[in-house]
Amino acid sequence: DGGITQSPKYLFRKEGQNVTLSCEQNLNHDAMYWYRQDPGQGLRLIYYSQIVNDFQKGDIAEGYSVSREKKESFPLTVTSAQKNPTAFYLCASSLLGSDAPGETQYFGPGTRLLVL
Amino acid sequence: AQTVTQSQPEMSVQEAETVTLSCTYDTSESDYYLFWYKQPPSRQMILVIRQEAYKQQNATENRFSVNFQKAAKSFSLKISDSQLGDAAMYFCAYRTQGGSEKLVFGKGTKLTVNP
Repeated sequence: DGGITQSPKYLFRKEGQNVTLSCEQNLNHDAMYWYRQDPGQGLRLIYYSQIVNDFQKGDIAEGYSVSREKKESFPLTVTSAQKNPTAFYLCASSLLGSDAPGETQYFGPGTRLLVL
Repeated sequence: AQTVTQSQPEMSVQEAETVTLSCTYDTSESDYYLFWYKQPPSRQMILVIRQEAYKQQNATENRFSVNFQKAAKSFSLKISDSQLGDAAMYFCAYRTQGGSEKLVFGKGTKLTVNP
């Protein structure tokens, strides 16, 4: 079954703690993305990566870090510098190029992060 | 900067009826893509329909169709023969062709389907 998996489904962070959200895809997609969703809001882009070992900041990258060591994986670390991390985090992936109409992004099931 | 506006925070429709969700956007680009995503209570974002700006023909996917008015920068979603499973948040999104990978989202419309 091809798809995007995110784990864990729920994550609790203590004050001053770094936590890492996992995102894996087996769709052979080139690009991967992390979005944050707050209540009553649309999604905002945190980071994206078009190729292994390269990634770009989105609109709200402060307090977050990512890595892209494998094409299939794009973990997001929420650092202690992120003062308001409580949100729903969605990972997405897409093909790139002319064979991918709209370079449509497909989403994983999400991770809910709560601060203790 | 591109912006996407969904002016209807909530909408409701009777089962089997038709409903239209509104979306307007602001851009100076001529080539771009527009999307409608559905977010059911499970919170996973599901692609409903995609429209390429260079295509004049409105996209359709089964019971879902769009009314794309490029000059007016309007992109509404029509759901025909509404079903209980259509109840969800619906988000309109915009993406420039090429360049930035960013999807710009509206704030969403909550659709309730009444039996």
